[in-house]
Amino acid sequence: SQKIEQNSEALNIQEGKTATLTCNYTNYSPAYLQWYRQDPGRGPVFLLLIRENEKEKRKERLKVTFDTTLKQSLFHITASQPADSATYLCAPLGDDKIIFGKGTRLHILP
Amino acid sequence: NAGVTQTPKFQVLKTGQSMTLQCAQDMNHNSMYWYRQDPGMGLRLIYYSASEGTTDKGEVPNGYNVSRLNKREFSLRLESAAPSQTSVYFCASSEMGPLVGYEQYFGPGTRLTVT
Repeated sequence: SQKIEQNSEALNIQEGKTATLTCNYTNYSPAYLQWYRQDPGRGPVFLLLIRENEKEKRKERLKVTFDTTLKQSLFHITASQPADSATYLCAPLGDDKIIFGKGTRLHILP
Repeated sequence: NAGVTQTPKFQVLKTGQSMTLQCAQDMNHNSMYWYRQDPGMGLRLIYYSASEGTTDKGEVPNGYNVSRLNKREFSLRLESAAPSQTSVYFCASSEMGPLVGYEQYFGPGTRLTVT
């Protein structure tokens, strides 16, 4: 069955550094991969979409890569700020499935 | 625009009681979704509606029913609540289906406890 893995442990990053989050998937071939941000007590908010034929996508301080050979996406936040602290969810989409990863909690330390 | 709204925000039910969670969107989106989120389990799709008049099962449909009342509204019904249905429920909508890449817009959630 399809499986998505994100860093299960919380990630602590010093302010100003680059935070890198990982999303690995198995047993399916997504045509798209989305990343969402979720703050405590709130619904997820869409951040970025990357297509299978795109290697990299950028939006302001955010960068996403998509390696269909490794079956992996990396999500980078450069020049991180305490306001970037949240849980980040990946959602590889394809094969008629809508599946979200469990998310990685990111803490940016001032 | 309010985006996606959900009612109620909180609910406590006794085992065996029934209730309907309401969801509405004002973005003229075609597709709507119901998810549940449990600690350590992530977001799991219960049901979705690709367009008005259609509904399909997601990953965890047992114990739930849905109604796509019109293009704006998508309700989730628990006929006989069980403690295993204690969760946070999110409604979402997208312009078209996410399987073609469209982003989902989520509501604020309903926190349901079944005792």
